[in-house]
Amino acid sequence: GNSVTQMEGPVTLSEEAFLTINCTYTATGYPSLFWYVQYPGEGLQLLLKATKADDKGSNKGFEATYRKETTSFHLEKGSVQVSDSAVYFCALLQGAQKLVFGQGTRLTINP
Amino acid sequence: EAGVTQSPTHLIKTRGQQATLRCSPISGHTSVYWYQQALGLGLQFLLWYDEGEERNRGNFPPRFSGRQFPNYSSELNVNALELEDSALYLCASSLLSQGNIQYFGAGTRLSVL
Repeated sequence: GNSVTQMEGPVTLSEEAFLTINCTYTATGYPSLFWYVQYPGEGLQLLLKATKADDKGSNKGFEATYRKETTSFHLEKGSVQVSDSAVYFCALLQGAQKLVFGQGTRLTINP
Repeated sequence: EAGVTQSPTHLIKTRGQQATLRCSPISGHTSVYWYQQALGLGLQFLLWYDEGEERNRGNFPPRFSGRQFPNYSSELNVNALELEDSALYLCASSLLSQGNIQYFGAGTRLSVL
């Protein structure tokens, strides 16, 4: 079946550091890939998406590229801020189906 | 444009009681998904409704049920509550013809005492 694996957290960085959160997936065919973010006490917000190979999703300074050859969708940001502290979920979707989530990565940014 | 709205925000019940959670999708969306986020267990798919019909359900017992109304809003019912049902329940809505991108509400936090 489909699955998503994220790098284990928690991840703690200093403000303005470079961020990478690794995400790899297992799926048949060509799923769509997503990053969702969950701020403390809130629901999930869609951060970015990519629907086909080599697509790059971007939003709020975050980027991720759909790499079919490595089945990966790593999240990156060049300079993180304290306000980026949250839990980040990588997810895949195939057609009219449920989202399959990774286990989530808790990110803490220290000033 | 209003996003996905869920009510109530918090719900406190005791073991054996029933809980009803509500979700209003984004205007124009016809699909509603329910997910459970229990502490330490990540996000687990519960139920999917589209056009008023249950289309799929996750690996949960039958005491988890729901329905979708003609206006596409949805209810999740949990009967015979158990302590381990304590979790954040998230609703998402989508439109299949627009890639089924799911947008989430803020969730209902259910506490079973």
